[in-house]
Amino acid sequence: GNSVTQMEGPVTLSEEAFLTINCTYTATGYPSLFWYVQYPGEGLQLLLKATKADDKGSNKGFEATYRKETTSFHLEKGSVQVSDSAVYFCALRTTGNQFYFGTGTSLTVIP
Amino acid sequence: EAQVTQNPRYLITVTGKKLTVTCSQNMNHEYMSWYRQDPGLGLRQIYYSMNVEVTDKGDVPEGYKVSRKEKRNFPLILESPSPNQTSLYFCASGVTGQPNEAFFGQGTRLTVV
Repeated sequence: GNSVTQMEGPVTLSEEAFLTINCTYTATGYPSLFWYVQYPGEGLQLLLKATKADDKGSNKGFEATYRKETTSFHLEKGSVQVSDSAVYFCALRTTGNQFYFGTGTSLTVIP
Repeated sequence: EAQVTQNPRYLITVTGKKLTVTCSQNMNHEYMSWYRQDPGLGLRQIYYSMNVEVTDKGDVPEGYKVSRKEKRNFPLILESPSPNQTSLYFCASGVTGQPNEAFFGQGTRLTVV
């Protein structure tokens, strides 16, 4: 079946620290991969995406590379800010148009 | 402004009393979907629709109904709500081709007592 596994949180980092949130997936066919961010009291917002193997998605300093050989899509940022504090979700969309989400990773960045 | 609008944002109801959560999008998207978000479980897809009059079950469809009579609207219906349907619900829309990310509404927090 299809599923997404992401690292458990919560994650607490100091400002300007390096961030990695691990995400691995199981899927049949060739899914598209996404990272979404959710701020308190709000819906999910797309952070970045990749639609095929070796694609790198990037936005606002965040990056993730679609690795088919390791079935991974890890999120990274070189220097986090307090404003990056949020919950991050890894997700895949199958060729049959179903979405599967990870359980979310809460990030808190302290000054 | 492009958006997905859900109503109501908050709802408290009693077991067995039918309710509808509305969802509307103004982006002319073919694809619409409903999710529930529960602590420790992330988002789980309830139903999705590829276009008008076309709906499919997601991972957790039991106890829910949907309809897609117009392209912009995709209401979620709970015919006989139960306490285990207490959750945070999100509607989303998107295009069917690439790129195909989902655009989310603000969420509806439902409590069934």
